[in-house]
Amino acid sequence: GNSVTQMEGPVTLSEEAFLTINCTYTATGYPSLFWYVQYPGEGLQLLLKATKADDKGSNKGFEATYRKETTSFHLEKGSVQVSDSAVYFCALSDKRTYKYIFGTGTRLKVLA
Amino acid sequence: DSGVTQTPKHLITATGQRVTLRCSPRSGDLSVYWYQQSLDQGLQFLIQYYNGEERAKGNILERFSAQQFPDLHSELNLSSLELGDSALYFCASSPEGTSVNTQYFGPGTRLTVL
Repeated sequence: GNSVTQMEGPVTLSEEAFLTINCTYTATGYPSLFWYVQYPGEGLQLLLKATKADDKGSNKGFEATYRKETTSFHLEKGSVQVSDSAVYFCALSDKRTYKYIFGTGTRLKVLA
Repeated sequence: DSGVTQTPKHLITATGQRVTLRCSPRSGDLSVYWYQQSLDQGLQFLIQYYNGEERAKGNILERFSAQQFPDLHSELNLSSLELGDSALYFCASSPEGTSVNTQYFGPGTRLTVL
C-alpha cells in the first residue's frame, strides 16, 4: 500500500541555517505530494504541494521537488527563522482512492 | 483562520461514554475529512465524506462513525470510549472530492477520556 516516510526529529538549528527535511514515499501510480506545517496549538496548514513529477512547490522560502526517480519530496529552506519552529508533515494523496497519507511529522526547533 | 470550525474545543469524558464532535467546513467546500492525532500514532486518516456520501475510509474503528449532513457539516461519533481514544481530532475540508485539492484544517477538538 501507499506510505510516507519522513526523517525523525526533533531537528534543532540555529537561525539562518540551511534546512532539509527528508521525505520518501511508496505509491502506486503518481500521487500528489504535499508539505503541511503545524504551529503550536494550531491545526495543520498547507505549506506547498506538487502534483506531478519534476514539479517544484514553493512558499515562504520553502521548496520541495517531486522526484519520481528517487520517490522523494524533500523540504528545503535556505535560511530558517525562529518563527519556522513547528512540526512539518509530508503527505501524499492517491488520485484514485482520494485517501491522504501523512508522515509521522518532523519537529523543527530554531534557536536565536 | 482556515474557515473550518470545530466544536467543542475541549471534551473530557469517562470510559464507556459516547461523544459527538462537530465540524463545519469552509463555505463551498464539499469534502470533509476526519483525522485523529495522538502522540504515539501520529496523524491518522479516519474517513472522508463528499457531498453527503462516504468517499474513503481509513483506520476508523467500528466504535466510531461519521456522517455529513445536507448543509455539509459533519459529525464524528465516538462510542464505548477507551483511554486510548484520548487524542486531538481534526476535521479538514476541501473544495472538491479530488486528491489534488488542498485540505484546510480546523483547530481540532481535544478529547480526554478518564
